[in-house]
Order: sequence, then C-alpha cells, then structure tokens
Amino acid sequence: GAGVSQSPRYKVAKRGQDVALRCDPISGHVSLFWYQQALGQGPEFLTYFQNEAQLDKSGLPSDRFFAERPEGSVSTLKIQRTQQEDSAVYLCASTKLAGETDTQYFGPGTRLTVL
Amino acid sequence: DQQVKQNSPSLSVQEGRISILNCDYTNSMFDYFLWYKKYPAEGPTFLISISSIKDKNEDGRFTVFLNKSAKHLSLHIVPSQPGDSAVYFCAASDNTDKLIFGTGTRLQVFP
Repeated sequence: GAGVSQSPRYKVAKRGQDVALRCDPISGHVSLFWYQQALGQGPEFLTYFQNEAQLDKSGLPSDRFFAERPEGSVSTLKIQRTQQEDSAVYLCASTKLAGETDTQYFGPGTRLTVL
Repeated sequence: DQQVKQNSPSLSVQEGRISILNCDYTNSMFDYFLWYKKYPAEGPTFLISISSIKDKNEDGRFTVFLNKSAKHLSLHIVPSQPGDSAVYFCAASDNTDKLIFGTGTRLQVFP
C-alpha cells in the first residue's frame, strides 16, 4: 500500500491482558514513530526508531510498554497487563529520512479500549 | 507543561470566508512547525509546514504565518470550504525528530 497501515483498527481488552499493535510504515521509510492520543488531546510521543534501532523511548509511560522493529520495517507496540488508563488511540508515523526534520506520515491508528 | 497550545477548541466559519487557526508555543528551541488535519477515525494528514527561518509559507488555499518573537503561528484557509471541516493540530519540533502536538481546534465550515 501507499500509506502507513496499522492493525487492528480496534482492540478491546480486559484489564490485565496483554495486547500487540502492529504498524506497517511506508516502504523505504527509515524512521518510525509511535504516538498515543487520549480522548480530546493531541498525539503524544511514545518512541522512535531509525531502521531497527530504538533511538528514543522517553515517552513510554511505564515498563509495561515495549516496542520493537526487528528488521527495520514493521513495528509492534506491546502493552503488558493493560490498565484502563491505557485506553487511547495509538498512532504510528513514518518518515523517509533520518537525522533531520521531515514530514511524518501517519497511519489511521488503533483504538484500544481497556475494560 | 503544555509546550504547544491551541487555545480555541472550536471555530465555526461560513463557506467562502477566511478561517484563522492559532497556535502558541513556549519552547524557543522549536525550529520547525507543522499543521495536520484530522478527520474522524483517520490518522492526522500533513497539511503545511514552516521552518523557523521563514515567516510565511503558502500552499494553495493554505498559508502558515510564524511570529518567532511572539512564539505564535497561525494557519489561514482562504476561501474556506465545507470539506475543510476537521480537527486541526499544530505541531512543533526541536530537531529531535519527535513532534510535540497541541490539543487541536475543531473547524466547522457551514454553507
């Protein structure tokens, strides 16, 4: 596909369950970002990859959150022992370049609801 | 501490008129600014950007103005169209790649 894709689009989890959210960036894009968007708020940075290297994970809210991009393309955001406050839309974005400001292209997001 | 602020949660404009969306920031290290548009159930779509070395950037009906001394930027849409109805996010970067977003302004363009 031409754009960033994410799956699943919607996920409902019971509190305490583990979830895995997938992001397929635009082909050839070097950089990949994860953001969390709570209801009524703007997206907030979680973590950043350049190829397979996770260069910044300062936005991850707790050690229950883990992200990986083992082959430098597809990325997975995993949340362990989900809590109600984890309910949000999780957005993935990618950029063609690395090491400089470039336009980030976003996927449609995964809406996570924790009951 | 909100580094990027969009103080107007909503704006309603008549079709054909100008829409002006405002954004303020506090971090003087920000050197690149972007506007994104978001429809329901979709991800943000890039609209227009401006580097801190410029004070204006224009793309068709969209113009972004940057006032560095006031730490303020604005997005002008002329003429406004019903299809412009969406949530608009202002975002800023300090060359660390990650974007800092405002809370968004919901624009409604009515006929």
